[in-house]
Amino acid sequence: QKEVEQNSGPLSVPEGAIASLNCTYSDRGSQSFFWYRQYSGKSPELIMSIYSNGDKEDGRFTAQLNKASQYVSLLIRDSQPSDSATYLCAVKGYSTLTFGKGTMLLVSP
Amino acid sequence: DTEVTQTPKHLVMGMTNKKSLKCEQHMGHRAMYWYKQKAKKPPELMFVYSYEKLSINESVPSRFSPECPNSSLLNLHLHALQPEDSALYLCASSPRATQKNYEQYFGPGTRLTVT
Repeated sequence: QKEVEQNSGPLSVPEGAIASLNCTYSDRGSQSFFWYRQYSGKSPELIMSIYSNGDKEDGRFTAQLNKASQYVSLLIRDSQPSDSATYLCAVKGYSTLTFGKGTMLLVSP
Repeated sequence: DTEVTQTPKHLVMGMTNKKSLKCEQHMGHRAMYWYKQKAKKPPELMFVYSYEKLSINESVPSRFSPECPNSSLLNLHLHALQPEDSALYLCASSPRATQKNYEQYFGPGTRLTVT
Protein backbone atom coordinates (compact mmCIF):
# COMPACT_ATOMS: atom_id res chain seq x y z
CA GLN A 1 0.00 0.00 0.00
CA LYS A 2 1.56 3.26 -1.13
CA GLU A 3 1.26 5.92 1.54
CA VAL A 4 1.94 9.62 1.67
CA GLU A 5 1.94 11.15 5.12
CA GLN A 6 1.49 14.78 6.06
CA ASN A 7 0.81 16.52 9.35
CA SER A 8 -2.79 17.71 9.11
CA GLY A 9 -2.08 20.90 11.05
CA PRO A 10 -3.16 23.57 11.20
CA LEU A 11 0.26 25.10 10.91
CA SER A 12 0.03 28.68 12.10
CA VAL A 13 2.67 31.24 11.15
CA PRO A 14 2.73 35.05 11.33
CA GLU A 15 2.84 37.12 8.18
CA GLY A 16 6.38 37.42 6.84
CA ALA A 17 7.62 34.20 8.46
CA ILE A 18 8.81 31.02 6.74
CA ALA A 19 6.29 28.20 6.61
CA SER A 20 7.72 24.68 6.43
CA LEU A 21 5.52 21.84 5.23
CA ASN A 22 6.69 18.24 5.30
CA CYS A 23 5.70 15.01 3.61
CA THR A 24 6.98 11.43 3.80
CA TYR A 25 6.22 8.61 1.41
CA SER A 26 6.49 4.85 1.58
CA ASP A 27 7.17 3.77 -2.02
CA ARG A 28 10.88 3.86 -2.79
CA GLY A 29 10.06 3.57 -6.48
CA SER A 30 8.39 6.97 -6.50
CA GLN A 31 9.77 9.17 -9.24
CA SER A 32 7.95 12.50 -9.22
CA PHE A 33 6.80 14.75 -6.41
CA PHE A 34 4.33 17.59 -6.43
CA TRP A 35 2.87 20.22 -4.15
CA TYR A 36 -0.65 21.45 -4.71
CA ARG A 37 -2.35 24.35 -2.97
CA GLN A 38 -6.07 24.08 -2.37
CA TYR A 39 -8.24 26.91 -1.11
CA SER A 40 -11.45 25.96 0.66
CA GLY A 41 -14.10 24.93 -1.86
CA LYS A 42 -11.69 25.22 -4.82
CA SER A 43 -9.73 22.71 -6.86
CA PRO A 44 -6.05 21.85 -6.29
CA GLU A 45 -3.56 24.15 -7.98
CA LEU A 46 -0.10 22.86 -8.86
CA ILE A 47 2.55 25.10 -7.33
CA MET A 48 5.74 23.01 -7.39
CA SER A 49 7.12 19.86 -8.94
CA ILE A 50 10.45 18.22 -8.13
CA TYR A 51 12.08 15.14 -9.62
CA SER A 52 15.69 15.10 -8.37
CA ASN A 53 17.29 15.21 -4.96
CA GLY A 54 18.03 18.69 -3.68
CA ASP A 55 16.27 22.02 -3.75
CA LYS A 56 14.13 23.68 -6.37
CA GLU A 57 13.18 27.32 -5.99
CA ASP A 58 10.35 29.23 -7.66
CA GLY A 59 9.69 32.70 -6.29
CA ARG A 60 8.82 32.44 -2.60
CA PHE A 61 8.51 28.65 -2.82
CA THR A 62 11.29 26.10 -2.37
CA ALA A 63 10.73 22.37 -2.70
CA GLN A 64 13.25 19.99 -1.17
CA LEU A 65 13.57 16.30 -1.98
CA ASN A 66 15.56 13.62 -0.18
CA LYS A 67 14.90 10.23 -1.77
CA ALA A 68 17.18 8.36 0.65
CA SER A 69 15.07 9.54 3.57
CA GLN A 70 11.86 9.45 1.54
CA TYR A 71 10.73 12.93 2.37
CA VAL A 72 9.81 16.02 0.46
CA SER A 73 9.20 19.46 1.90
CA LEU A 74 7.89 22.84 0.84
CA LEU A 75 9.17 26.11 2.24
CA ILE A 76 7.18 29.28 1.79
CA ARG A 77 9.19 32.42 2.47
CA ASP A 78 7.64 35.74 3.44
CA SER A 79 4.31 34.04 4.11
CA GLN A 80 1.22 36.08 3.26
CA PRO A 81 -2.35 35.74 4.52
CA SER A 82 -3.26 34.76 0.93
CA ASP A 83 -1.08 31.65 1.40
CA SER A 84 -3.61 30.34 3.92
CA ALA A 85 -4.83 27.11 2.33
CA THR A 86 -4.43 23.35 2.46
CA TYR A 87 -1.23 22.07 0.87
CA LEU A 88 -1.38 18.63 -0.68
CA CYS A 89 1.73 16.56 -1.24
CA ALA A 90 1.40 14.17 -4.19
CA VAL A 91 3.79 11.39 -5.16
CA LYS A 92 3.88 9.55 -8.46
CA GLY A 93 5.20 6.08 -9.06
CA TYR A 94 4.67 4.49 -12.47
CA SER A 95 1.32 5.89 -13.42
CA THR A 96 -0.91 7.36 -10.72
CA LEU A 97 -0.63 10.10 -8.16
CA THR A 98 -0.98 9.29 -4.48
CA PHE A 99 -2.03 12.26 -2.37
CA GLY A 100 -1.36 12.97 1.25
CA LYS A 101 -4.26 14.20 3.36
CA GLY A 102 -2.94 17.73 3.25
CA THR A 103 -1.61 20.27 5.75
CA MET A 104 -3.69 23.32 6.54
CA LEU A 105 -1.61 26.49 6.70
CA LEU A 106 -2.88 29.60 8.47
CA VAL A 107 -0.97 32.84 8.03
CA SER A 108 -2.02 35.54 10.46
CA PRO A 109 -1.61 39.27 9.62
CA ASP B 1 -1.94 27.79 -21.14
CA THR B 2 -2.71 25.35 -18.38
CA GLU B 3 -6.46 25.21 -18.72
CA VAL B 4 -8.94 22.50 -17.94
CA THR B 5 -12.60 23.50 -18.01
CA GLN B 6 -15.50 21.73 -16.36
CA THR B 7 -19.26 22.14 -16.62
CA PRO B 8 -21.47 22.60 -14.78
CA LYS B 9 -19.94 24.31 -11.75
CA HIS B 10 -22.75 23.10 -9.52
CA LEU B 11 -25.25 20.28 -9.95
CA VAL B 12 -28.12 19.16 -7.76
CA MET B 13 -29.76 15.91 -8.77
CA GLY B 14 -32.20 13.40 -7.38
CA MET B 15 -31.36 9.76 -6.94
CA THR B 16 -33.40 8.76 -10.00
CA ASN B 17 -31.88 11.33 -12.36
CA LYS B 18 -29.35 10.84 -15.12
CA LYS B 19 -26.86 13.63 -15.61
CA SER B 20 -23.44 14.16 -17.14
CA LEU B 21 -20.37 16.12 -16.12
CA LYS B 22 -18.17 17.52 -18.86
CA CYS B 23 -14.48 18.24 -18.99
CA GLU B 24 -12.33 19.74 -21.72
CA GLN B 25 -8.61 20.43 -21.87
CA HIS B 26 -6.89 22.69 -24.36
CA MET B 27 -3.28 21.69 -23.79
CA GLY B 28 -2.93 18.76 -26.19
CA HIS B 29 -2.56 16.37 -23.28
CA ARG B 30 -2.97 12.65 -23.88
CA ALA B 31 -4.18 11.62 -20.43
CA MET B 32 -7.28 12.74 -18.58
CA TYR B 33 -8.60 11.80 -15.16
CA TRP B 34 -11.68 11.94 -12.97
CA TYR B 35 -11.27 12.36 -9.23
CA LYS B 36 -13.78 12.55 -6.41
CA GLN B 37 -13.04 14.69 -3.38
CA LYS B 38 -15.00 14.73 -0.16
CA ALA B 39 -14.63 17.55 2.36
CA LYS B 40 -11.28 17.59 4.20
CA LYS B 41 -10.08 14.54 2.24
CA PRO B 42 -7.57 14.24 -0.61
CA PRO B 43 -8.74 13.60 -4.17
CA GLU B 44 -9.51 9.95 -4.93
CA LEU B 45 -8.81 8.68 -8.44
CA MET B 46 -11.84 7.27 -10.22
CA PHE B 47 -10.82 6.84 -13.88
CA VAL B 48 -7.87 7.40 -16.17
CA TYR B 49 -8.09 7.77 -19.94
CA SER B 50 -4.73 7.52 -21.66
CA TYR B 51 -4.20 6.89 -25.36
CA GLU B 52 -7.83 5.82 -25.70
CA LYS B 53 -7.44 3.21 -22.98
CA LEU B 54 -9.59 3.39 -19.87
CA SER B 55 -8.28 2.41 -16.46
CA ILE B 56 -10.77 2.08 -13.64
CA ASN B 57 -10.41 2.25 -9.88
CA GLU B 58 -12.21 -0.98 -9.07
CA SER B 59 -13.83 0.54 -6.01
CA VAL B 60 -15.86 2.96 -8.15
CA PRO B 61 -19.50 1.82 -8.44
CA SER B 62 -21.05 1.25 -11.84
CA ARG B 63 -23.44 4.18 -11.42
CA PHE B 64 -20.47 6.26 -12.63
CA SER B 65 -19.44 5.72 -16.25
CA PRO B 66 -16.82 7.72 -18.15
CA GLU B 67 -16.84 8.53 -21.82
CA CYS B 68 -14.04 9.99 -23.93
CA PRO B 69 -15.46 11.36 -27.22
CA ASN B 70 -12.00 12.59 -28.27
CA SER B 71 -8.61 13.28 -26.81
CA SER B 72 -9.59 16.67 -25.41
CA LEU B 73 -12.99 15.79 -23.94
CA LEU B 74 -13.93 13.59 -21.02
CA ASN B 75 -17.45 13.10 -19.71
CA LEU B 76 -18.70 11.43 -16.58
CA HIS B 77 -22.22 9.97 -16.80
CA LEU B 78 -24.14 9.71 -13.56
CA HIS B 79 -27.11 7.43 -12.96
CA ALA B 80 -29.01 6.42 -9.83
CA LEU B 81 -26.60 8.14 -7.49
CA GLN B 82 -26.76 7.99 -3.72
CA PRO B 83 -26.54 10.90 -1.25
CA GLU B 84 -23.05 9.73 -0.25
CA ASP B 85 -21.93 10.48 -3.81
CA SER B 86 -22.24 14.19 -3.05
CA ALA B 87 -18.74 15.60 -3.46
CA LEU B 88 -16.48 17.79 -5.57
CA TYR B 89 -15.74 16.04 -8.86
CA LEU B 90 -12.45 17.04 -10.37
CA CYS B 91 -11.16 16.53 -13.86
CA ALA B 92 -7.43 16.66 -14.54
CA SER B 93 -5.11 16.21 -17.48
CA SER B 94 -1.43 15.54 -18.04
CA PRO B 95 0.84 15.15 -21.09
CA ARG B 96 1.00 11.40 -20.53
CA ALA B 97 -0.02 8.99 -17.81
CA THR B 98 3.07 6.87 -17.47
CA GLN B 99 5.97 9.12 -18.33
CA LYS B 100 8.31 9.75 -15.42
CA ASN B 101 8.09 13.50 -15.36
CA TYR B 102 4.66 14.89 -15.95
CA GLU B 103 2.48 17.44 -14.27
CA GLN B 104 -1.20 16.97 -13.69
CA TYR B 105 -3.49 20.00 -13.90
CA PHE B 106 -6.93 20.17 -12.37
CA GLY B 107 -10.07 21.85 -13.60
CA PRO B 108 -12.22 23.98 -11.27
CA GLY B 109 -14.45 21.05 -10.37
CA THR B 110 -18.17 20.35 -10.28
CA ARG B 111 -19.87 20.50 -6.89
CA LEU B 112 -22.42 17.68 -6.94
CA THR B 113 -25.25 17.36 -4.46
CA VAL B 114 -27.47 14.28 -4.55
CA THR B 115 -30.84 14.66 -2.83
